[in-house]
Amino acid sequence: DIQMTQSPSSLSASVGDRVTITCRPSESISDYLNWYQQKPGRAPSLLIYAASSLQSGVPSRFSGSGSGTDFTLTISSLQPEDFATYYCQQADSTPYTFGQGTKLEIK
Amino acid sequence: QVQLQESGPGLVKPSETLSLTCTVSGGSVSSYYWSWIRQPPGKGLEWIGYISYSGSTDYNPYLRSRVTISVDTSKNQFSLRLNSVTAADSAEYYCARAVGSISPFDYWGQGILVIVST
Repeated sequence: DIQMTQSPSSLSASVGDRVTITCRPSESISDYLNWYQQKPGRAPSLLIYAASSLQSGVPSRFSGSGSGTDFTLTISSLQPEDFATYYCQQADSTPYTFGQGTKLEIK
Repeated sequence: QVQLQESGPGLVKPSETLSLTCTVSGGSVSSYYWSWIRQPPGKGLEWIGYISYSGSTDYNPYLRSRVTISVDTSKNQFSLRLNSVTAADSAEYYCARAVGSISPFDYWGQGILVIVST
């Protein structure tokens, strides 16, 4: 299985801050990397697919980059609605695996 | 707009079988890939398996011996059966769609909480 390591596990930030979350798969996955946002009591929702493509309807302050074994999710200017948990997921091979999550909290 | 809705018992006894159904609207289960994903309370996400448009299946090897995913095209539904459950199987269970085997999960159900307990 491909292990997905996300960092940090939690992060405190303020509205307007620029935030970066990192995801490192245990082996190269090309660009088959997706990012999801999950709010409490809700299902995850797709933010970024194929490492850097913005899902329709997602604000442009979200961006993704990377390939191989090093990926990042960046939120350019945090908004109150962005405080949530973020997961990366590899779609390169089954079993599909997720990172452990990064909980983004208000400072 | 594609919508997915999970249904089934919220409480299952240990050693019994967990059975859930996902009803799809706004799209056909005869296309794409349909997965089950679960999330124990306060924990991360675990992919359980999928069934494809062709009826092929793929399962997480950690669950393969206990899992069956099937589809009912006449009802536009797909289902999950997980045998011999224990407390470790207590989780929020989500159904989700992916366009292809290397595609993201672009549509999700709202989730259903299943507790394994006597």
